[in-house]
Amino acid sequence: SQTIHQWPATLVQPVGSPLSLECTVEGTSNPNLYWYRQAAGRGLQLLFYSVGIGQISSEVPQNLSASRPQDRQFILSSKKLLLSDSGFYLCAWGGLAGEREQFFGPGTRLTVL
Amino acid sequence: KQEVTQIPAALSVPEGENLVLNCSFTDSAIYNLQWFRQDPGKGLTSLLLIQSSQREQTSGRLNASLDKSSGRSTLYIAASQPGDSATYLCAAPSNTDKLIFGTGTRLQVFP
Repeated sequence: SQTIHQWPATLVQPVGSPLSLECTVEGTSNPNLYWYRQAAGRGLQLLFYSVGIGQISSEVPQNLSASRPQDRQFILSSKKLLLSDSGFYLCAWGGLAGEREQFFGPGTRLTVL
Repeated sequence: KQEVTQIPAALSVPEGENLVLNCSFTDSAIYNLQWFRQDPGKGLTSLLLIQSSQREQTSGRLNASLDKSSGRSTLYIAASQPGDSATYLCAAPSNTDKLIFGTGTRLQVFP
């Protein structure tokens, strides 16, 4: 069966510090991978998605970047965090032919102070 | 542009009640619709996926329906229990194959 991992689970970082969040998927190959952010009281916002190694699409202009160095690894980064980057970051995988169902990881709670 | 709306935003009911959560979407040219559950501080758990060719999908006490022509989906929860307390999210794909989420219905079932 497929599983998706995210770490760290929680993170508190000062403004201006770098960020690296990691997501890995097990039990599937060549998945579509997604990064979402969920701000307090708001819906999920798609940040990035990837259909393959090295292929990244950005949905909104922002202070963040994403990379996919391996088939089942998706990384969210920032060089300098802003207060507005605080939120709950969720990684998801999907793209099974015929169904396109998405499955989510446990999330990372990021607080920027 | 796909927009997804969920009503009500919050719901508090006594245990045992049957519930209906509503989801509306503006672009009916969808190939599926997905319902999720989110517990506080946790990720999303996929509950049901309804394909565009289906009208209903059932899993245990949960039943989801899809009416593309009216742009609506409903999640029916039978005989609600305190363990059903969570936020329920629906998501429909956009014309660019991305999932667009509603803001959710926060459900509390009290004993």
